[in-house]
Amino acid sequence: GQQLNQSPQSMFIQEGEDVSMNCTSSSIFNTWLWYKQDPGEGPVLLIALYKAGELTSNGRLTAQFGITRKDSFLNISASIPSDVGIYFCAGPDSGGFKTIFGAGTRLFVKA
Amino acid sequence: GAVVSQHPSWVICKSGTSVKIECRSLDFQATTMFWYRQFPKQSLMLMATSNEGSKATYEQGVEKDKFLINHASLTLSTLTVTSAHPEDSSFYICSAPSPILSSYEQYFGPGTRLTVT
Repeated sequence: GQQLNQSPQSMFIQEGEDVSMNCTSSSIFNTWLWYKQDPGEGPVLLIALYKAGELTSNGRLTAQFGITRKDSFLNISASIPSDVGIYFCAGPDSGGFKTIFGAGTRLFVKA
Repeated sequence: GAVVSQHPSWVICKSGTSVKIECRSLDFQATTMFWYRQFPKQSLMLMATSNEGSKATYEQGVEKDKFLINHASLTLSTLTVTSAHPEDSSFYICSAPSPILSSYEQYFGPGTRLTVT
């Protein structure tokens, strides 16, 4: 079935550093979604990408929809302690109804 | 933006008892809601799709008789964990699809932490 592979699994960085994480799949996705989950909370949508090649920013966050439609990356610039959490990439399954989630990238930011 | 609430936010129950978790869409209607389970340091695992006015659709390996789902109205879905056991302890999260038809976004509730003793 469809799967999303996220890397890295976890990252330990210093406050102020930039962060890059990505998501790949062996199958094509027509939409890429990036969510963040704070500890003990539900995920919140950060960025949604709908077109191959699309580059979208949301504050310090930038995400791109890979031209092959099989990958996407998320960058965070000038990280701050509240960036701590789990970042999930996601996309609709082939039926367009359910959402498939990657395993997540756990981000730890040291002040 | 669309808001989804869950109640309770946490619950502790004794083994053998049943626990009901509510999921509400506060400012939009949802004919479909999704229930996920998340173990520590793991991703979201879809358990079932809740459908207003019809039976829920369960994912493979999820016991429908143990995890009862009722989608009573266009804004409320409930998950009842029956005869709970310690291995049912987990973080349960519901979500509702965006009311915008062209969007694949989901709005998640804040989650319910279930601990079975």
